[in-house]
Amino acid sequence: DAGVTQSPTHLIKTRGQQVTLRCSPKSGHDTVSWYQQALGQGPQFIFQYYEEEERQRGNFPDRFSGHQFPNYSSELNVNALLLGDSALYLCASSLTFTSGSTYEQYFGPGTRLTVT
Amino acid sequence: EDQVTQSPEALRLQEGESSSLNCSYTVSGLRGLFWYRQDPGKGPEFLFTLYSAGEEKEKERLKATLTKKESFLHITAPKPEDSATYLCAVHHRGSTLGRLYFGRGTQLTVWP
Repeated sequence: DAGVTQSPTHLIKTRGQQVTLRCSPKSGHDTVSWYQQALGQGPQFIFQYYEEEERQRGNFPDRFSGHQFPNYSSELNVNALLLGDSALYLCASSLTFTSGSTYEQYFGPGTRLTVT
Repeated sequence: EDQVTQSPEALRLQEGESSSLNCSYTVSGLRGLFWYRQDPGKGPEFLFTLYSAGEEKEKERLKATLTKKESFLHITAPKPEDSATYLCAVHHRGSTLGRLYFGRGTQLTVWP
């Protein structure tokens, strides 16, 4: 049973560029959440996708956008990169029940983004 | 204001020296408290979910407990391979669809 996968593993970009990160959820999961983790900090929630729609968003600017595909995989796009966007970007998948409740979120290995 | 606070920030233990990590939370309407283990440069690895006060869960040398305002992760006779950062996260009534709020983690080092 494949777990959550993310690509690429590492990425180096220049300020002002745009980046796309990809995530495939764990088999059987339909919900994808994205988190940003700065060095020495806990993960910070960016947004969550369910049924191909953004369902909830954290305190991140509109430069951060995403998409979920019919096969439940997801992309995170960041435009106009800033030095402060350098972080580990984590994707987590879970299963949402008809009641709206979710259970455990399982994380991928992350994408290390460095902005120079 | 932080909703989840973990202590201590860092903990060094000798192999076999048992201890506890603390996670306190200020949210109301807790729907779940989650413990994760994170190795350097890797994604968090799920350990436990606790849903109600008094609940306990165990896995190998780890035991997680939950009260109304905090959770403890007890580590019994730790080994060097238990060295990692342990993260606590909560899901509460005010966050729909399982948004998690994380603490900053406790960095555990177990030396031989």
